Amino acid sequence: AQTVTQSQPEMSVQEAETVTLSCTYDTSESDYYLFWYKQPPSRQMILVIRQEAYKQQNATENRFSVNFQKAAKSFSLKISDSQLGDAAMYFCAYRSANTGNQFYFGTGTSLTVIP
Amino acid sequence: KAGVTQTPRYLIKTRGQQVTLSCSPISGHRSVSWYQQTPGQGLQFLFEYFSETQRNKGNFPGRFSGRQFSNSRSEMNVSTLELGDSALYLCASSRAADPASSYEQYFGPGTRLTVT
Repeated sequence: AQTVTQSQPEMSVQEAETVTLSCTYDTSESDYYLFWYKQPPSRQMILVIRQEAYKQQNATENRFSVNFQKAAKSFSLKISDSQLGDAAMYFCAYRSANTGNQFYFGTGTSLTVIP
Repeated sequence: KAGVTQTPRYLIKTRGQQVTLSCSPISGHRSVSWYQQTPGQGLQFLFEYFSETQRNKGNFPGRFSGRQFSNSRSEMNVSTLELGDSALYLCASSRAADPASSYEQYFGPGTRLTVT
């Protein structure tokens, strides 16, 4: 089974600064998708950004961008100009392109934004 | 468009009892997945249903079962509850019919189950 590792249980960042959350994964597949989800204290999981493994270009969504290194099996999330509303648990997730909607999640990184 | 809804939001049960949780996906979504979230284990995949058929299954005992109806609504059942079943149960829906598509999952607010 695929595994997803988030080695930073907790991170903090000053408001308006930039922070990078790390994620590595283990798979023998070549075709898959990677996601970052955000879970605020209200508990509703929200998609932040996604990356198709076949795309070399890193995905970007406004202040959120990823650094996808396929050979290294690394998928980090960069949050620029951090805002108080970015405070949440962030989960990295992997989904195979072959087996339906079975997501493998990392254990999460709790991000604190300091005013 | 309404989001994924889950009922009930909170539930307290006693060991040995059984429980049924319900999930209504976003209109048009035919795939429904269930996850168990605990502080120690994180998010663990239970199973996925697509067009009333179980398409994927995680590593959970047979006490955990599910089903999907023709309107895509799904239910999850846990029989003979154990203390360790206390968790947040999340349901997620997706419109992806083809596993090779990159459609994301949309999550519901979850059902908080406490087993005493």
